Parts: sequence; structure tokens; C-alpha cells
Amino acid sequence: DAGITQSPRHKVTETGTPVTLRCHQTENHRYMYWYRQDPGHGLRLIHYSYGVKDTDKGEVSDGYSVSRSKTEDFLLTLESATSSQTSVYFCAIGRTSNEQYFGPGTRLTVT
Amino acid sequence: GQQLNQSPQSMFIQEGEDVSMNCTSSSIFNTWLWYKQDPGEGPVLLIALYKAGELTSNGRLTAQFGITRKDSFLNISASIPSDVGIYFCAGLRMDGNNRKLIWGLGTSLAVNP
Repeated sequence: DAGITQSPRHKVTETGTPVTLRCHQTENHRYMYWYRQDPGHGLRLIHYSYGVKDTDKGEVSDGYSVSRSKTEDFLLTLESATSSQTSVYFCAIGRTSNEQYFGPGTRLTVT
Repeated sequence: GQQLNQSPQSMFIQEGEDVSMNCTSSSIFNTWLWYKQDPGEGPVLLIALYKAGELTSNGRLTAQFGITRKDSFLNISASIPSDVGIYFCAGLRMDGNNRKLIWGLGTSLAVNP
């Protein structure tokens, strides 16, 4: 298994509060990704990173920001959480852009 | 966003049966990936395919990169109860200067012991 962890694993928060999810890897992989998974929509890319301080938007980036200040950590921030951001969030890593290895996920509930 | 056409959406089979599922698209892909997701966990990469026509096996799993580069197939032989889960395909293609991974919606597999 790829050395990838996500924290927290579960979180309940109120609408309007900021939330930060952390992805940590021990594989020294260049690429890191944040997805959300919702019934009927599958996996949708939020943001990705192709190196330290190099990030780009995915298909559902509105309401999310990311930061990657070091190779091993990729942070996803919801500046002001909304109920539509209730979802399961997955981080993925890849040595190249040809493959992705996923973390265990974070279940976020916004009430 | 763009998604792959993955079928069937769900399958219910008897233990020991073989399983086939596929993903199709109108677009050409450079790489095909097949994942399995168990409940409450992240997807796990099963097989990666990099060349048109490529046939790759991983134990009882066999996947093929379609010759047209627009489709891929996954077969599971002699299914067992632990094969239960959701199988996803993903195709990687060039989008301008970026590589973009497009996902299918998954095939849910149930195995009756």
C-alpha cells in the first residue's frame, strides 16, 4: 500500500465555518490530488498539485483552496463550508501523472 | 464534467462465475486504469494499461486496452466473495498541456456465496 494518510477521517462542522483537510504521504511522490465522491457523480477532481507550490484547479474547484508547502503534505481548505460540500474526500498521490494511489478518505458532514 | 460510460452499472453473480465489465468513450485515451473500492475505503489500483491492444493480468483479473483506444475491459475469473465491491475505470488523456483523468461511475459487484 502507498504511504498515504488523511486527517481527520471524520468531521462534522457547521455551515459557514472554515475546514482544513490534510493529506500526508511518505512516498515522495510528485503528484497529489484531492477528489470528492458523491453518489451518482463518482469521483470528481477538486484540485491537484504537480510539485511544491505548484497547484491547479480540477472540475469542481469552486469553494475550495489548496496549498502544498512541502512534498509530503497537501492541504484542502473549505473557507466557508456549505451543506453542498458534505461528501467523502479522497486524496491521491502519484509518482507520475499516469497512475494514482488513494488514501482512506475523510467523511465530512456540514450541518 | 466528462465521464466514461461504464457498464454494467451493477452485477449480482454466483460464486465461481466469471465477470466482465467495460468502459467506453468517444474520446481517445493514452492510459486506462482499473480500481476496486471496498466500503468505507479508498479505491485501490488493480491494473494499469499503457498501450493500445495491451492485455494485462493480475491474478484472476485481466484487463485490456481497446485497440481503438476508446475502450477498456476488465474480466474477473472464478469470482469469490471478496471480489464484492465497486470497480471503477479511469482513462487518461491529454487536455491541452495537461493530462486529465476521466472516471467512470463504477460497476457494483455482488457475489452470492
